[in-house]
Amino acid sequence: EAGVTQSPTHLIKTRGQQATLRCSPISGHTSVYWYQQALGLGLQFLLWYDEGEERNRGNFPPRFSGRQFPNYSSELNVNALELEDSALYLCASSPLPFRTGEKYEQFFGPGTRLTVL
Amino acid sequence: LAKTTQPISMDSYEGQEVNITCSHNNIATNDYITWYQQFPSQGPRFIIQGYKTKVTNEVASLFIPADRKSSTLSLPRVSLSDTAVYYCLVGEPGGYQKVTFGTGTKLQVIP
Repeated sequence: EAGVTQSPTHLIKTRGQQATLRCSPISGHTSVYWYQQALGLGLQFLLWYDEGEERNRGNFPPRFSGRQFPNYSSELNVNALELEDSALYLCASSPLPFRTGEKYEQFFGPGTRLTVL
Repeated sequence: LAKTTQPISMDSYEGQEVNITCSHNNIATNDYITWYQQFPSQGPRFIIQGYKTKVTNEVASLFIPADRKSSTLSLPRVSLSDTAVYYCLVGEPGGYQKVTFGTGTKLQVIP
C-alpha cells in the first residue's frame, strides 16, 4: 500500500513569493493534516481538512491557506513568503471516523523542505 | 486541549531499557495518549496508543496510571537506531481538536 506522498521534496523561494505544496493521502483516508516544523522545533499544527472542508486551523496567519480536492489530495499555499517560513512542511493523513477502541493513527509523508531566501 | 510536558533530552546506552515520562495534568475524559517517533528529516511514525493501564506492542510498552495524569513510554533494550525524537500527544482521536506535538524528547543512544 502506498504511503502519504508529498511534492516537491525541496522548494526554494525568495521573500514575497508564493509557495504551493502538495500532498496525496493514503488511499481511503479522508483526513489530511498539515504541520510546520522549523529547524530544531517541534511540529506546529497548521491545518486539518476532512471531506473537502477545513475542520481546524492552527495559530498561523491567513497567508497560510489550503484546500482539499474531491480525491482527498491537498494543497498548502503560503503567500508573501517570509524568511521564517523556512521549514519542513509535513502532511499526514488518517481515516475517519474514529471508533472507540480502535487505534487512531496519523500517517506522515516525508515532507517538503521549503527554503526562503 | 491537554498540555503535555516531556524531558527535552535523554541519553542511554545500547541494550538498556529506556523510560520516557510525559505529564498531562489536564487530560480530558475522552483523550487518548499517543506516542510518535521521528528521525531527522522524516515524518513522525506512530509507536503506541493507549487510554488506561498498560498497552504493549512489538516495539514498546505504554504505562498509564489510574489518574491518567502522566504516562510512560518504555523502550526495551534500545539500539543505536532508536536515536530519535519521541513525542507524547494527548487528545481526542478523530475529534475536532488540534493535536499538538510539542517539542518532544530527544533520545540519544550511546554505543
